[in-house]
Amino acid sequence: QSALTQPRSVSGSPGQSVTISCTGTSSDVGGYNYVSWYQQYSGIAPKLMISDVSQRPSGVPDRFSGSKSGNTASLTISGLQAEDEADYYCCSYAGSYTWVFGGGTKLTVL
Amino acid sequence: EVQLVESGGGLVQPGGSLRLSCAASGFTFSSYWMHWVRQAPGKGLVWVSHINSDGSSTHFADSVKGRFTISRDNAKNTLFLQMNSLRAEDTAVYYCARAGGYYSLDSWGQGTLVTVSS
Repeated sequence: QSALTQPRSVSGSPGQSVTISCTGTSSDVGGYNYVSWYQQYSGIAPKLMISDVSQRPSGVPDRFSGSKSGNTASLTISGLQAEDEADYYCCSYAGSYTWVFGGGTKLTVL
Repeated sequence: EVQLVESGGGLVQPGGSLRLSCAASGFTFSSYWMHWVRQAPGKGLVWVSHINSDGSSTHFADSVKGRFTISRDNAKNTLFLQMNSLRAEDTAVYYCARAGGYYSLDSWGQGTLVTVSS
């Protein structure tokens, strides 16, 4: 149950696009199409942004998109806005009814 | 509106026990898998435990296996986490979360802080 690997931080200017990667193994990210992404503002409960690799829940802006290739999943945020500045976590189903999160990525909007 | 409200956190000595509760409303609680996730101060999210909809199947992270128990009372729309043999490294905000579509966590409570310290 090792944590998925995410970059500690990413940054971008308003209007630009940024991509956050999430690398696991064939036992988690690579083995299932069950990667989800969460946005967390400091001290606030996380919010689901992407489920099942690329599905956007109702109410999530279409600026947020997800994808996966092999053992690496990605979250792309296009048309960056100041309100997107937050921590982002990936999570993958890891089999046998266990889940694993990534270490989190701090997004800074310059 | 889906609501999850955790309670039961507090200060406990190493080796002690604590029982967290999560009161659910706004949805048919008995139809959903549920999770506990924790976050140590200044650290990332860590999955702790899962329970299926009728409580017959439970699963745990290796770090808490044998010490924590998850259960639910579907008649009272409440999820529980019994934590025994607590260690300093269990100090964290504990969130309960609903499993949406089974494999993602689509609704979260506000969290309850557990501090393990002498």
